[in-house]
Amino acid sequence: EPEVTQTPSHQVTQMGQEVILRCVPISNHLYFYWYRQILGQKVEFLVSFYNNEISEKSEIFDDQFSVERPDGSNFTLKIRSTKLEDSAMYFCASRLDDTGELFFGEGSRLTVL
Amino acid sequence: GENVEQHPSTLSVQEGDSAVIKCTYSDSASNYFPWYKQELGKRPQLIIDIRSNVGEKKDQRIAVTLNKTAKHFSLHITETQPEDSAVYFCAAGMNYGGSQGNLIFGKGTKLSVKP
Repeated sequence: EPEVTQTPSHQVTQMGQEVILRCVPISNHLYFYWYRQILGQKVEFLVSFYNNEISEKSEIFDDQFSVERPDGSNFTLKIRSTKLEDSAMYFCASRLDDTGELFFGEGSRLTVL
Repeated sequence: GENVEQHPSTLSVQEGDSAVIKCTYSDSASNYFPWYKQELGKRPQLIIDIRSNVGEKKDQRIAVTLNKTAKHFSLHITETQPEDSAVYFCAAGMNYGGSQGNLIFGKGTKLSVKP
């Protein structure tokens, strides 16, 4: 069964450093998302991406965040200058169209020290 | 924007009993309501979903009901088993008609099924 894959599974970084989280969505999917989940809390929407541009973003997704689809397969989330409060599990998700099931990756755990 | 409230935050039942988790949403434009199960350290996985054109949907031991007027929807698990123990999240969103389908999640319910 096709899966959304994410790398790295865990990253530890120092406050102020740049981090890039990578995702490979399911190959024929057209809609891509990033969500985050602070430990023990709910899953929070960050950004949606369609047709090579951001379609919606939440208040969390400030100027420190950016997304990119550099080629036909990868979808990346960059955090320019990490803060302690960015520590969370970041989930990439994709869906075939805007009516289909949302498939989540296994997540990338980010720890900011 | 959409806001989703979920209750209870924790739920403990005996094996074989039923479990009910309730959610309310705020945006009457939302038309898609999935439920996700998340085991410890794992990704959320869809277990059932319902769209606003139906009031109830059932899949074996799991059922979901939707009351559009009251803006609430519920997950019902019958004949619970220990492997049902997990955190369950409800979500709401617009699934078509101009939106890109991003979901707003509730805070989750930790379900524990005691053997």
